[in-house]
Amino acid sequence: NAGVTQTPKFQVLKTGQSMTLQCAQDMNHNSMYWYRQDPGMGLRLIYYSASEGTTDKGEVPNGYNVSRLNKREFSLRLESAAPSQTSVYFCASSPRQGTLDLHFGNGTRLTVT
Amino acid sequence: AQSVSQHNHHVILSEAASLELGCNYSYGGTVNLFWYVQYPGQHLQLLLKYFSGDPLVKGIKGFEAEFIKSKFSFNLRKPSVQWSDTAEYFCAVNLSGGYNKLIFGAGTRLAVHP
Repeated sequence: NAGVTQTPKFQVLKTGQSMTLQCAQDMNHNSMYWYRQDPGMGLRLIYYSASEGTTDKGEVPNGYNVSRLNKREFSLRLESAAPSQTSVYFCASSPRQGTLDLHFGNGTRLTVT
Repeated sequence: AQSVSQHNHHVILSEAASLELGCNYSYGGTVNLFWYVQYPGQHLQLLLKYFSGDPLVKGIKGFEAEFIKSKFSFNLRKPSVQWSDTAEYFCAVNLSGGYNKLIFGAGTRLAVHP
């Protein structure tokens, strides 16, 4: 049982480049989330998907887009990367809306130069 | 706006010392409360949670937390820490019955020396 799988684990981008972070869960969870973790700021919610077919903005959505491709997969796209997006990105899932018993992936460390 | 404050950013303890990490939130309504732990190089894991009932919640690895509604607090405690407790600890809050997302505190980095 893999849980929440994120790819890639590491990525270096130049300013202006685009990329998609992939996330998949095999626990049949309904809700999925993307967070970024920055030193001294904890985790901040970028976007979430309460259920398949829905997505909503979190605290810091600017510069990002998401796609809930199906129940298993929730991708995060940076259309034009900026140095301020250098961070560690975590995907998480929870069984259903409101339970918030989050299961996290191992993270993607992104550096934008 | 809803916010979570963790007052101790870095804590250094010796093994067998007692631990208390503070967490306060700013919201007057009903909340759900969580503590997550992130061991070095790993992802976040749920340590314990409070939804309702007994305000003293016991979690994994000997941790417990007490919800004090009048103080808007949910402090994490452990009577005797071990070197393996070295990690970063995050408090998180959710508005029950409505929102579908957690608000995290900035985290407390705990270092336990043998």
